Amino acid sequence: ETGVTQSPTHLIKTRGQQVTLRCSSQSGHNTVSWYQQALGQGPQFIFQYYREEENGRGNFPPRFSGLQFPNYSSELNVNALELDDSALYLCASSLMARSGNTIYFGEGSWLTVV
Amino acid sequence: DAKTTQPPSMDCAEGRAANLPCNHSTISGNEYVYWYRQIHSQGPQYIIHGLKNNETNEMASLIITEDRKSSTLILPHATLRDTAVYYCIAVSNDYKLSFGAGTTVTVRA
Repeated sequence: ETGVTQSPTHLIKTRGQQVTLRCSSQSGHNTVSWYQQALGQGPQFIFQYYREEENGRGNFPPRFSGLQFPNYSSELNVNALELDDSALYLCASSLMARSGNTIYFGEGSWLTVV
Repeated sequence: DAKTTQPPSMDCAEGRAANLPCNHSTISGNEYVYWYRQIHSQGPQYIIHGLKNNETNEMASLIITEDRKSSTLILPHATLRDTAVYYCIAVSNDYKLSFGAGTTVTVRA
């Protein structure tokens, strides 16, 4: 077990709606990153949060946003959902105190946009 | 982060060692080599990581060449459950992972 939990595991939304995905990071980890994995592709980096601040962003539009809370858990919000947003959304947690620490993933949230 | 190159696929026999190569010729001095695997529809599973020394854990061994331009992940006794996509990733201290296409490993009975 990685200690990284994500919810919900599966959900279906309608185009144009908004969705919030949640991630509870491993105890003691101060960094959470979110990834999108479309079917048949490798995960793509969305953004990272370090100590409640966004700390880097991949090539995703502003309708993808996030939060990190004081307990280091995190949310990914996607507004104005599009069909292409259908994917597995992965959360990864790590301790960014020094390099070379282990990075653990959750099992992901499957989002289907119809 | 440095780009990594892996063969798209490989087969191995159950019970034999599986040697997965990875090329990272542009890796910088502060980048670690991380290995993950992903079984269909599940989150990536951490396997092992290293900087320049060889590493071993209960899952696998990681052999990094002296010049650090390539590495090999060794699964000592492959089982059918090791069938997965394996990703080799060079990671700096920002902990942002750039996944390539990985190697699809099929273990055959």
